[in-house]
Amino acid sequence: DAGVIQSPRHEVTEMGQEVTLRCKPISGHDYLFWYRQTMMRGLELLIYFNNNVPIDDSGMPEDRFSAKMPNASFSTLKIQPSEPRDSAVYFCASSIRTGTTGYTFGSGTRLTVV
Amino acid sequence: GNSVTQMEGPVTLSEEAFLTINCTYTATGYPSLFWYVQYPGEGLQLLLKATKADDKGSNKGFEATYRKETTSFHLEKGSVQVSDSAVYFCALSASLIQGAQKLVFGQGTRLTINP
Repeated sequence: DAGVIQSPRHEVTEMGQEVTLRCKPISGHDYLFWYRQTMMRGLELLIYFNNNVPIDDSGMPEDRFSAKMPNASFSTLKIQPSEPRDSAVYFCASSIRTGTTGYTFGSGTRLTVV
Repeated sequence: GNSVTQMEGPVTLSEEAFLTINCTYTATGYPSLFWYVQYPGEGLQLLLKATKADDKGSNKGFEATYRKETTSFHLEKGSVQVSDSAVYFCALSASLIQGAQKLVFGQGTRLTINP
């Protein structure tokens, strides 16, 4: 398996523009998680899905953020409109149901909003 | 609630030194415990895990023992290398509904090894 695949690896955009980050989880994994990493706040869980259904989006910072999972092999995180304070590394991770396996993380998308 | 506390970094050591990164946790029930490593420009990778009290996780020369009596899961390595320079995260799994897990991460400890 190729692991969790995220695209793009780097994104630079201007303030006010829409940004879409993409994630392909590992086949067979029931859960998908979106995290944001910054120096100030560390790793923050934004939202997670179970079997393509959003379960907990309490970590989504604002209505400007939205996430979808239209099928078991694809998820998007969208920011509209983007702001400089959204600059961070965004990680996607997936896991199977049991509590003993941990997550598999993608390589992340480094977002810079100028 | 569930939480993880790691020793504050950054930690700087010379090659071949002994490493300890402290991790303590607060949790209800019996969580699994993990150490993840993040190399520069990469995502987090699972380094080792332990799923019950007194279990020892090990990988790449790193070890950590699940100590329920002290609620700790300290990471150790007997002789570090320059290639071990990275950020290390301690984490625990908290049970969710439907048998799922939610990982709660510590703040991370940056380790730099000098030749």
